[in-house]
Amino acid sequence: AQKVTQAQTEISVVEKEDVTLDCVYETRDTTYYLFWYKQPPSGELVFLIRRNSFDEQNEISGRYSWNFQKSTSSFNFTITASQVVDSAVYFCALSETNYGGSQGNLIFGKGTKLSVKP
Amino acid sequence: DAGVTQSPTHLIKTRGQQVTLRCSPKSGHDTVSWYQQALGQGPQFIFQYYEEEERQRGNFPDRFSGHQFPNYSSELNVNALLLGDSALYLCASSLYAPGAETQYFGPGTRLLVL
Repeated sequence: AQKVTQAQTEISVVEKEDVTLDCVYETRDTTYYLFWYKQPPSGELVFLIRRNSFDEQNEISGRYSWNFQKSTSSFNFTITASQVVDSAVYFCALSETNYGGSQGNLIFGKGTKLSVKP
Repeated sequence: DAGVTQSPTHLIKTRGQQVTLRCSPKSGHDTVSWYQQALGQGPQFIFQYYEEEERQRGNFPDRFSGHQFPNYSSELNVNALLLGDSALYLCASSLYAPGAETQYFGPGTRLLVL
């Protein structure tokens, strides 16, 4: 069965610290997709990144970076030099390939609440 | 470029009532998925609509039903509301592809059942 585990329920850091959010996934498929979403207090899920299972290259976008390791089934997210505006709940999600007229639904972890204090 | 919109933003109902939530997808998208997010939890997939048909369904009872219109907008209906249906209901839209395209979410509808 597919599953996403975010073991860190809450993390609190001081501004400018680096922080890594962990994500471990389970799937039997060889083709799958991994996502990170940010959910600020307003509630809307904001898309951050999508990776497919064949692309293990790490990615950097400004202060954000992602480390995808198939060998450990992990897709970790690092924020460098954190800022107060980074405070939110972050969700890791997994989607598998579906055929027959549908596309994969998202399976979310329980989220990690990040608090960045000034 | 309008994003995903949902209405209403908040709703209060009593047990046993019925509710309808609405979603308009992001411009250019043709697939709508609905998720339920209980407090402190990750979103749970309810169902997905494409070409006005339910294509996939999560582990939700038949009290949850939906519809997609020719303009790709969608409704989520919940009958015989229970206290446990209180949650944030999120709509996500995407462009259909056999694999998995990125889903973009709306601001959600907060439903409180008393």
